[in-house]
Amino acid sequence: AQSVAQPEDQVNVAEGNPLTVKCTYSVSGNPYLFWYVQYPNRGLQFLLKYITGDNLVKGSYGFEAEFNKSQTSFHLKKPSALVSDSALYFCAVRGAGGSYIPTFGRGTSLIVHP
Amino acid sequence: EAGVAQSPRYKIIEKRQSVAFWCNPISGHATLYWYQQILGQGPKLLIQFQNNGVVDDSQLPKDRFSAERLKGVDSTLKIQPAKLEDSAVYLCASSLGGAPGETQYFGPGTRLLVL
Repeated sequence: AQSVAQPEDQVNVAEGNPLTVKCTYSVSGNPYLFWYVQYPNRGLQFLLKYITGDNLVKGSYGFEAEFNKSQTSFHLKKPSALVSDSALYFCAVRGAGGSYIPTFGRGTSLIVHP
Repeated sequence: EAGVAQSPRYKIIEKRQSVAFWCNPISGHATLYWYQQILGQGPKLLIQFQNNGVVDDSQLPKDRFSAERLKGVDSTLKIQPAKLEDSAVYLCASSLGGAPGETQYFGPGTRLLVL
């Protein structure tokens, strides 16, 4: 069965510092990987995805993520955090072979301090 | 472009009552998803439609949950009878097609509280 792990419930970072939100996955076949952000009382908003090609994916609002096949990871990064980046971040995976059911991680709360 | 619409936004019911949620996807999107998001967890897929056909409902508790998308556009999700553990946010999402690499666009969700 496919799975997603977001090992940190919460990440704290100072404004202007780089941020990383971690995600590891388990899936049969090649993975399709996604990052979504959720603000309070809002639905999920798409940030970026990895389908194939370059391992470094650039997305909305200055976020990027690096696909690492050997470590089965897809960590979300941003060079300089903003207070407005504070939100709940979800990593998701769909398998190219076998189950196509989207599987989400538990989410990581990002808090950016002024 | 209008996003995914859901109603109601909030619903409070007592256990054993029934409830229905409505979703209108982005115009032209063939694929529609219903998710259940319990507090502190990620969304869990309940059912996926491609036009008006069911692609996957393996995680839908069929003894109490049902969903339909009769004309391939709007969809309703029903719970009958509701249990306390059904308290959650129910998210609807849509995508242009059903391929696994397609981006899903989410609605604001319906927050259900079962007392």
